[in-house]
Amino acid sequence: NAGVTQTPKFRVLKTGQSMTLLCAQDMNHEYMYWYRQDPGMGLRLIHYSVGEGTTAKGEVPDGYNVSRLKKQNFLLGLESAAPSQTSVYFCASSYGSGRYEQYFGPGTRLTVT
Amino acid sequence: SQKIEQNSEALNIQEGKTATLTCNYTNYSPAYLQWYRQDPGRGPVFLLLIRENEKEKRKERLKVTFDTTLKQSLFHITASQPADSATYLCALNRLQGAQKLVFGQGTRLTINP
Repeated sequence: NAGVTQTPKFRVLKTGQSMTLLCAQDMNHEYMYWYRQDPGMGLRLIHYSVGEGTTAKGEVPDGYNVSRLKKQNFLLGLESAAPSQTSVYFCASSYGSGRYEQYFGPGTRLTVT
Repeated sequence: SQKIEQNSEALNIQEGKTATLTCNYTNYSPAYLQWYRQDPGRGPVFLLLIRENEKEKRKERLKVTFDTTLKQSLFHITASQPADSATYLCALNRLQGAQKLVFGQGTRLTINP
């Protein structure tokens, strides 16, 4: 099992460009999440999904969109990147149904210039 | 406002001693509290989960306590080793929306040989 994988690992964008981060999990988990991690701020939840075809906003959703068309994939989109979106992005997944531990991917380091 | 604080940004411990990390929270009523380990450049890895009605949980050299009166969790690593050096994150689940985690900012632990 690969667990949770994320692509790409690194990306540099110019202000105003768009991109999509891909997260895939092979554990048949119901729930998936996108976080960002900034120095001194801890992990903050951007969006999450409790099942295929459903998404919901987290703590810091502005400037991001998500889609979960297939159970194993969760996409995070930046429509018009801003320097404030420079961060490390982590995807995670969990079983749901009374099991709350989350499994994280290796992260994507995004720099917006 | 709601807040999770991990008391030390960094902690240095001599090998073989017990490392104790603290997680305090205010204005939350968590149903579960979790601890994760994060190594540089990697995603967090789940270690332990403790429920609000449990006082203590152990796993090998790890011990977690949860005091809902003090609104505090302590995370202990006994017989610490240099390989235990990492950043440790605490995170809370609330009963409603239990799939969402709120993270502390982490404590960077260094075990000196």
